Parts: sequence; C-alpha cells; structure tokens
Amino acid sequence: AQSVTQPDIHITVSEGASLELRCNYSYGATPYLFWYVQSPGQGLQLLLKYFSGDTLVQGIKGFEAEFKRSQSSFNLRKPSVHWSDAAEYFCAVVPSGGYQKVTFGTGTKLQVIP
Amino acid sequence: EAEVAQSPRYKITEKSQAVAFWCDPISGHATLYWYRQILGQGPELLVQFQDESVVDDSQLPKDRFSAERLKGVDSTLKIQPAELGDSAMYLCASSLDQGRTEAFFGQGTRLTVV
Repeated sequence: AQSVTQPDIHITVSEGASLELRCNYSYGATPYLFWYVQSPGQGLQLLLKYFSGDTLVQGIKGFEAEFKRSQSSFNLRKPSVHWSDAAEYFCAVVPSGGYQKVTFGTGTKLQVIP
Repeated sequence: EAEVAQSPRYKITEKSQAVAFWCDPISGHATLYWYRQILGQGPELLVQFQDESVVDDSQLPKDRFSAERLKGVDSTLKIQPAELGDSAMYLCASSLDQGRTEAFFGQGTRLTVV
C-alpha cells in the first residue's frame, strides 16, 4: 500500500544546532514530494518541493531536503536551528501519475531549547 | 499577498447540532481541498474539488458531512449532526491545479463538539 512515514514524533534540538527530519515513502514510482511547516493553531506553509532533477532542493527559511531514490527518503535539513523554527513539520507525497491525491505524514514536532 | 480565507476561526457546538464552515480560495485557483486534522496527526483529505466538481470524497463521512462549491469559487463544508469525534481542525486549501502545484492553506477552523 502507498504510504508516507515520519518516524520521529518529537525532536528536541538546541538553538544553533543542526536538524534533520526524516521522511520515507512507499510508492510504485517516484512521487512528487513536499515539506510543510505548521505553527500552533495555524495552517500549513510550504517549505520546499521536489518533482525531478537535482536531488538537493533548497527551500524557504534556510531549509533544504535531499531526495534519495535508493532509500525512498526525502529528509529535511537545516544547518543551524533558530528558536522560531519550533513548529510541526509534515512531509507530503503526491503520485506522479493518474489521480493526484496528496497524502500527509503524521508530522514531527520540533522543540528548540536555548 | 493573496490568502485562503476561512471562517469561523473557532466554533463550539453541541453534539447533534449542525455546523458549517466556509472557505474562499485564492482567486483563480481551480482546485480546492478540505482537510480534517485531529490533534497530533497529519491532515486527512475529506474532499477535493476541481472547479465545481468533486474529484475525491472517498474519506468524507457522507451520512453526516456534505460539501459544495456551487460556482467553482468558494466552498462550504457542513456537518449534521455533529458528533464528539468530529472535534478537530478543519483546513481548507487551494491550488492552481491538481497534484504537483503548491497548495496554499487557510488558517483553519478549530471545531469543538461538546
């Protein structure tokens, strides 16, 4: 069955430290891949997306993600976390053919400590 | 900057009552989505419109939920009767087209059923 998995429910990092959030998918072909961020009580904002081409994607707010076909992964990274990055992060996938329904992962809640 | 507008932001209703949510997508966006997000989970697609037509309502509990987008612009999601388990955030999103185009989210309606 098609699925998207975010294995980490909560992650705590110190301000200034690096960050990596994991996302794995299970689809027959390489899907379109997205990362969204959600602040408490707010809607979702797109950080970055991957359709094809360069496997390292740059996004807003200093985030980047790397697509690894061999690992079916699309991990989100940031070299130095700021306190304002505390939020919930969602990976989302869309099949690249046929009806294109977006499926979201269960999210990773990021806590940033001083 | 264009935004997806949702109202109300918060709604408290008694079980068995009717409740309705409204969404006004970004002008020119053909695709409109309604998602339900239970606390601590990722958004789950309830219904997707392409213009005024329903593309996917497979996860919509049709015995109590209904959605319409009569003129292909704004949309209403209704629950009747509301149940305690319907307490959640209801998010509306829109995109220029399906799938690989970015979805823009509204701030959501937080529903509490008591």
